[in-house]
Amino acid sequence: DGGITQSPKYLFRKEGQNVTLSCEQNLNHDAMYWYRQDPGQGLRLIYYSQIVNDFQKGDIAEGYSVSREKKESFPLTVTSAQKNPTAFYLCASSIDPAETQYFGPGTRLLVL
Amino acid sequence: AQKITQTQPGMFVQEKEAVTLDCTYDTSDPSYGLFWYKQPSSGEMIFLIYQGSYDQQNATEGRYSLNFQKARKSANLVISASQLGDSAMYFCAMRTGGSYIPTFGRGTSLIVHP
Repeated sequence: DGGITQSPKYLFRKEGQNVTLSCEQNLNHDAMYWYRQDPGQGLRLIYYSQIVNDFQKGDIAEGYSVSREKKESFPLTVTSAQKNPTAFYLCASSIDPAETQYFGPGTRLLVL
Repeated sequence: AQKITQTQPGMFVQEKEAVTLDCTYDTSDPSYGLFWYKQPSSGEMIFLIYQGSYDQQNATEGRYSLNFQKARKSANLVISASQLGDSAMYFCAMRTGGSYIPTFGRGTSLIVHP
């Protein structure tokens, strides 16, 4: 089955700790995206990548980092510089940047 | 700047009835696309329907249709014959020709009751 997987489903972060959220797709999509969703809000773009080895900052990139070493994978690291990381994180991909985005199941990040 | 507005924070509908979820948009770009996504309590965003600004006909996908009124800058989602499984958050989004990144509205919570 083709799709987008995100792991873990729940993630707990301690103060000062970096954590990495996984996003993998087997749809052969070129473009991948990371969004943050807070309660009662729409989605806000953190980072996106249109092609392997290239990525761009979105609206709220501060405190986050990404890499795109493989077409299938676009991990997101939430660094200690992100002071309010508690949120629901959604990964998406599209066959190319101009096409419809499809989403993974999401990761909920909580701070201990 | 592009903007999406969903004015209905919550909607209730009885099973088997039709419901319309409102979405208005604002952009000066003549080329744009409008999307609707469903987000059930599990969290995953599920793509429902797409309408391009140059499309002559309103988009339809099964029980979902998009009431596209270009002059009014509205792109309302119509769900016919509501089912209990339609209970979810619904998000409208727009992407303009000048950007590959969609802007999302704040969403509308739909509850379908028996």
